[in-house]
Amino acid sequence: GAGVSQSPRYKVAKRGQDVALRCDPISGHVSLFWYQQALGQGPEFLTYFQNEAQLDKSGLPSDRFFAERPEGSVSTLKIQRTQQEDSAVYLCASSFGGWDNSPLHFGNGTRLTVT
Amino acid sequence: AQSVTQLDSHVSVSEGTPVLLRCNYSSSYSPSLFWYVQHPNKGLQLLLKYTSAATLVKGINGFEAEFKKSETSFHLTKPSAHMSDAAEYFCVVSTGGFKTIFGAGTRLFVKA
Repeated sequence: GAGVSQSPRYKVAKRGQDVALRCDPISGHVSLFWYQQALGQGPEFLTYFQNEAQLDKSGLPSDRFFAERPEGSVSTLKIQRTQQEDSAVYLCASSFGGWDNSPLHFGNGTRLTVT
Repeated sequence: AQSVTQLDSHVSVSEGTPVLLRCNYSSSYSPSLFWYVQHPNKGLQLLLKYTSAATLVKGINGFEAEFKKSETSFHLTKPSAHMSDAAEYFCVVSTGGFKTIFGAGTRLFVKA
């Protein structure tokens, strides 16, 4: 596809369940980012991949959050033992470059609701 | 350390009147600055980007922004608002690498 694709679009999880959110970046994009956007807030950085290497995971809020990009393309954000405070929109973005501040191309996000 | 402050959480204008969305940034290094727009139920879209070339940056849909280093500002403007401009706008700062920082957003309302 031409853009960044995220699935599922919506996810409802019961507290304590594990969830996996998928991101298909634009083909050939080196950089991939995950952001968390709470209601009424700007996106907050979670983690960054350059190809398959996770270069920064300092924004992950707890060790329940885990992200991977094993082949340098598709990425998965996993949240274990979900809590209500995890409810948010999770955004994935990719960019062509690595360290050159290339513009970010965003997916439409996955809205996670933890009940 | 870097940060970005959007000075208005909401801005309301009438169609055909000018738009001003204010953004101040803090950065230890020469920043790259961006404005993104988010329409309801749609992904974030890049409006424009500043990377130390011309201080007046033109973007899509008639928007432009001026980088003022002395004021650490990067305000977004448009001469004449259109109904389709109603959306959430985010000012973003990056100093290279990957830790891009978003402002809290400004919601623009356009009245007919």
